[in-house]
Amino acid sequence: GALVYQYPRRTICKSGTSMRMECQAVGFQATSVAWYRQSPQKTFELIALSTVNSAIKYEQNFTQEKFPISHPNLSFSSMTVLNAYLEDRGLYLCGAIHGNTEVFFGKGTRLTVV
Amino acid sequence: GEQVEQLPSILRVQEGSSASINCTYENSASNYFPWYKQEPGENPKLIIDIRSNMERKQTQGLIVLLDKKAKRFSLHITDTQPGDSAMYFCAASRAGGYKVVFGSGTRLLVSP
Repeated sequence: GALVYQYPRRTICKSGTSMRMECQAVGFQATSVAWYRQSPQKTFELIALSTVNSAIKYEQNFTQEKFPISHPNLSFSSMTVLNAYLEDRGLYLCGAIHGNTEVFFGKGTRLTVV
Repeated sequence: GEQVEQLPSILRVQEGSSASINCTYENSASNYFPWYKQEPGENPKLIIDIRSNMERKQTQGLIVLLDKKAKRFSLHITDTQPGDSAMYFCAASRAGGYKVVFGSGTRLLVSP
C-alpha cells in the first residue's frame, strides 16, 4: 500500500533557530509533494507545491527564503523552517500526490517554538 | 479564485441522528473532492471522495453529494456514533497534480 512517512513527528526548537523536516513516500511514486501547515485552531494552509523537475510553487505569504524545499526524487522531499518564531508553530503536513489526484498524507511534524 | 468554504464550523448532534456538512468551491476546473477526518493530534485521513463525473457516492454510513452547477458538495453521516466526533475537512482539487485546497473544517460533536 501507499504510505507517507514524516519525521520527526514532534520537534521543539528555540526561537530564531531552524529545523528541517522530511517526507518519504513508500510504495508509490510521488510526482508532486505539497507541504501544508495547520496552525492551532486553523485549517490547512498550503505552503508550496513541489513537482519533480519543475520549479517549486510557493503560495502567498510563504517564501523559499523562509521555507526552502528539496525534492530530489520521486520518493523524498524535505522542508526547512528557517528562523522559526512563535507564529511558525503548528502541524506541518506533507501530502504526496499520486497519479492525477489522490493525495496521501504523512502523520505530520508538530513544531513547537520556545 | 480557489477558496473552499465549509459550514458549519461546529456541529452538535445526538447519537443515532444524521449530520451534514456543506462546502462550496470557486474553481470550476476542480474535479476531485475528498473529505478528511482528523482526530486530535493526528493527521487527516481520507474517508470518502467523489470525482466530478459522479453526483453521489455512498460508503459505510457516509454519503457525499456533488452539484457541479452550484459548485457545492456535501458530506452526510447517517446514524452518527460518538466515535464520529472529530474534525472534518472538505477539499477540492483538479487532476494533474494541482494543489488540494481545504475548507476551514467542521468540528462534529456526537453526544450519547
